Amino acid sequence: GAVVSQHPSWVICKSGTSVKIECRSLDFQATTMFWYRQFPKQSLMLMATSNEGSKATYEQGVEKDKFLINHASLTLSTLTVTSAHPEDSSFYICSARARGLGPHEQFFGPGTRLTVL
Amino acid sequence: GDSVTQMEGPVTLSEEAFLTINCTYTATGYPSLFWYVQYPGEGLQLLLKATKADDKGSNKGFEATYRKETTSFHLEKGSVQVSDSAVYFCALWGGGFKTIFGAGTRLFVKA
Repeated sequence: GAVVSQHPSWVICKSGTSVKIECRSLDFQATTMFWYRQFPKQSLMLMATSNEGSKATYEQGVEKDKFLINHASLTLSTLTVTSAHPEDSSFYICSARARGLGPHEQFFGPGTRLTVL
Repeated sequence: GDSVTQMEGPVTLSEEAFLTINCTYTATGYPSLFWYVQYPGEGLQLLLKATKADDKGSNKGFEATYRKETTSFHLEKGSVQVSDSAVYFCALWGGGFKTIFGAGTRLFVKA
């Protein structure tokens, strides 16, 4: 089946630093990638949608200058949390959709836990 | 806007017990409904789906029926196993062209 990986699986950083999270589709070309954020005991909240080669579309309330998303190739998208603060601590999950699949069909990565001290 | 509400967990059951995880939704139009499962250390996986009213999705012994009259999509399994221990997410895809997730329900199955 389609596999999506994320790296790192967990990261701890100091307040004010930037952190980059990678999302890779290992065995398919991902025309669209999604980034979600999950708070404890809460649902996944969509942060942004990115299509290969174009700028990401951010959901309302998500700061695009803080959460930089790059989808430079059909197998890689990155999320950079800039100038991270403790309130950015969360579980970040990416998913990817392959060409030709329905709009609701997506494959999820295992997530990255970010802790900002 | 669209939303999904599912029962809070954790749910703890003994092996071979009957499982029900309730899920209700609010949406305009006719959304598609899904159950995803997340095993420890892994990404979400699609468990089953239903795209129209009265459809029944099923997979691995799990079932859920799309009930438009009650706006529900409850997940059931007749006999759970230890290996079913995971977090289960109810979700919908509707007019907003994005997946809306419930908060997730953690299931523990004891041997």
